[in-house]
Amino acid sequence: DADVTQTPRNRITKTGKRIMLECSQTKGHDRMYWYRQDPGLGLRLIYYSFDVKDINKGEISDGYSVSRQAQAKFSLSLESAIPNQTALYFCATMSGGGLGANVLTFGAGSRLTVL
Amino acid sequence: GNSVTQMEGPVTLSEEAFLTINCTYTATGYPSLFWYVQYPGEGLQLLLKATKADDKGSNKGFEATYRKETTSFHLEKGSVQVSDSAVYFCALASQTGANNLFFGTGTRLTVIP
Repeated sequence: DADVTQTPRNRITKTGKRIMLECSQTKGHDRMYWYRQDPGLGLRLIYYSFDVKDINKGEISDGYSVSRQAQAKFSLSLESAIPNQTALYFCATMSGGGLGANVLTFGAGSRLTVL
Repeated sequence: GNSVTQMEGPVTLSEEAFLTINCTYTATGYPSLFWYVQYPGEGLQLLLKATKADDKGSNKGFEATYRKETTSFHLEKGSVQVSDSAVYFCALASQTGANNLFFGTGTRLTVIP
């Protein structure tokens, strides 16, 4: 099994619908992240969490919300999806220190299309 | 602020050619620098990293040297293979702040036989 698992891998939805992307990890890492990837823009941070009680906005959090249900689970929600949220979304984890500090482990991505 | 600028692609090379993908950065303090690679249909994975000036990161034949004087971390490989076809991202981790990485826009490399 993958260290970081994202579901669904692909989703097509309509404008105005609520969508949840889920992420679970077996790395035992405290830190979890949601990124969005768009062609020509690289990866942009949406939200991040350092532990279950710590949630922080990234550079493009508007229109998104997150929930850290457990150390291993971090979900991203679009309350009312719009077409410009069509993108590839990545969940990632990071160890808080030691040799793994600053090294992200990524899931395989969730491709979302909003019509 | 923190930012990464990397060479725009796409880059197309013949097998066994020499590869350079340029990356420069802006950061306060002494950031750590990374190259991540994204193969088709997959998430990003760490290729190599360097944590201080003059460090050289290397992996799978790829190398990059942390040059503080030129604020650069260029990726090189002496002889590329078809299997190296992927998108390459340069990134930095600020010494201060939220342990977040700042990514470049990515460079797509295609290696043809």
